Amino acid sequence: ETGVTQSPTHLIKTRGQQVTLRCSSQSGHNTVSWYQQALGQGPQFIFQYYREEENGRGNFPPRFSGLQFPNYSSELNVNALELDDSALYLCASSLYGGGGYGYTFGSGTRLTVV
Amino acid sequence: GQQLNQSPQSMFIQEGEDVSMNCTSSSIFNTWLWYKQDPGEGPVLLIALYKAGELTSNGRLTAQFGITRKDSFLNISASIPSDVGIYFCAGQLYKAAGNKLTFGGGTRVLVKP
Repeated sequence: ETGVTQSPTHLIKTRGQQVTLRCSSQSGHNTVSWYQQALGQGPQFIFQYYREEENGRGNFPPRFSGLQFPNYSSELNVNALELDDSALYLCASSLYGGGGYGYTFGSGTRLTVV
Repeated sequence: GQQLNQSPQSMFIQEGEDVSMNCTSSSIFNTWLWYKQDPGEGPVLLIALYKAGELTSNGRLTAQFGITRKDSFLNISASIPSDVGIYFCAGQLYKAAGNKLTFGGGTRVLVKP
């Protein structure tokens, strides 16, 4: 079975720009969660998508938005980038209702905002 | 919001040593999880705990779910070089928005020079 795939692995953007990050979920998983991990910190929950709708959101502003597609893959969009948005963005797929034991994390996208 | 305090923030290990780390919370969780993250990778689940007081092992790893449901610890016995990495605790509350995980700040395990 394939794991969680994220793209791109790295990218550099300028403050004020917009960025789209992509995630392909593990085979058999129907739910995708996004986490932001700043350098030297633990991951923080951004939001979760199930049945192509947002199913819970952390303490992130509306300029963080997402999509889920019929094949369960997902995108994270960030508008009006700020320097503090520099972080590793992790995608985790799971079966809906599955506890943390059911999460499979991808290797992440390292975003640098300059 | 909920915060998890993980300690120590970093530690040095020598091959063969036992090491311990713990995690405390200001509020309760229904599930405690321990992850390991290697450089350039996402977190990988090591142990999951579902009941207060539960003690669970996975090879050389042992973790316990505190009886107050506000803490957990992880022990690694007879450490080996590949134990180097960052260990995170995470708590999950039933029916929390998005089944979210709340992570601690991590314990960085390094090899003694």
